Amino acid sequence: NAGVTQTPKFRVLKTGQSMTLLCAQDMNHEYMYWYRQDPGMGLRLIHYSVGEGTTAKGEVPDGYNVSRLKKQNFLLGLESAAPSQTSVYFCASSYSVIAGTGTSYGYTFGSGTRLTVV
Amino acid sequence: GENVEQHPSTLSVQEGDSAVIKCTYSDSASNYFPWYKQELGKGPQLIIDIRSNVGEKKDQRIAVTLNKTAKHFSLHITETQPEDSAVYFCAASESNDYKLSFGAGTTVTVRA
Repeated sequence: NAGVTQTPKFRVLKTGQSMTLLCAQDMNHEYMYWYRQDPGMGLRLIHYSVGEGTTAKGEVPDGYNVSRLKKQNFLLGLESAAPSQTSVYFCASSYSVIAGTGTSYGYTFGSGTRLTVV
Repeated sequence: GENVEQHPSTLSVQEGDSAVIKCTYSDSASNYFPWYKQELGKGPQLIIDIRSNVGEKKDQRIAVTLNKTAKHFSLHITETQPEDSAVYFCAASESNDYKLSFGAGTTVTVRA
C-alpha cells in the first residue's frame, strides 16, 4: 500500500541513549518532514527536507539531527535523549499542486512513533 | 513566522448536531489552509483544504469558510456521526511555502 511508513512504532529510551527513527515513502514526494506532537501544542516542525541530500531546521530542531540520503527515506536522530523529548513523532511527505490561484500541498502522514525517555 | 490559534480545545456535540471549529492566523501572506483529522493511534489525514481566493468550500457534510480580512477560517461539520469523533487540526502556509503551521487541535466527541 502506498504511503508513509515509520519505524519503530514504540520505543523506550534511557536518558543519554541515542536512536534513529526511520521514515520511508513510496509516493515519489519531494518534500519530507518530521513533526513532534505534544498534548495541547499541536504539531511542531522539527526538521524538513525539500529534496534528496537537503535538510533544514524547523521550529524545534534542538537535540535532533536528520539525513535524507535517498529521496524515499528521511531519518531522524537523537544523539543523547532527554526526558523533554518524550513525545509522539510523525513523519510526513508532500507534493505540491500549483494552480492559477496558488499552491496547495498534499501532506501524507505516517502513523507515528511513540517515544518515551526515562 | 506564522502563528495559528485554534478554538475550542474540546467540543462535545449530540449526534446529528453541527460542530464548528475556528482558527485564526497571524501572517497575512498565508493563502493555503488545510484541515486534518486524527483518529486515535493514527496520523493526521487531510479532510478538506481551501485557498485564499475562495471564501467557502464544501465536501458532503464538511465545509470550510475563510475570512482573509479578519484572518480566520472555520471548519463546519453538519449532521455529526459517531465516526466524526477525533482530533481536528487546522493549518496554514504562505504562498509557495510548503511548511505548514498547525493549530493546537480540537478533540471532538459525538455523543450518541
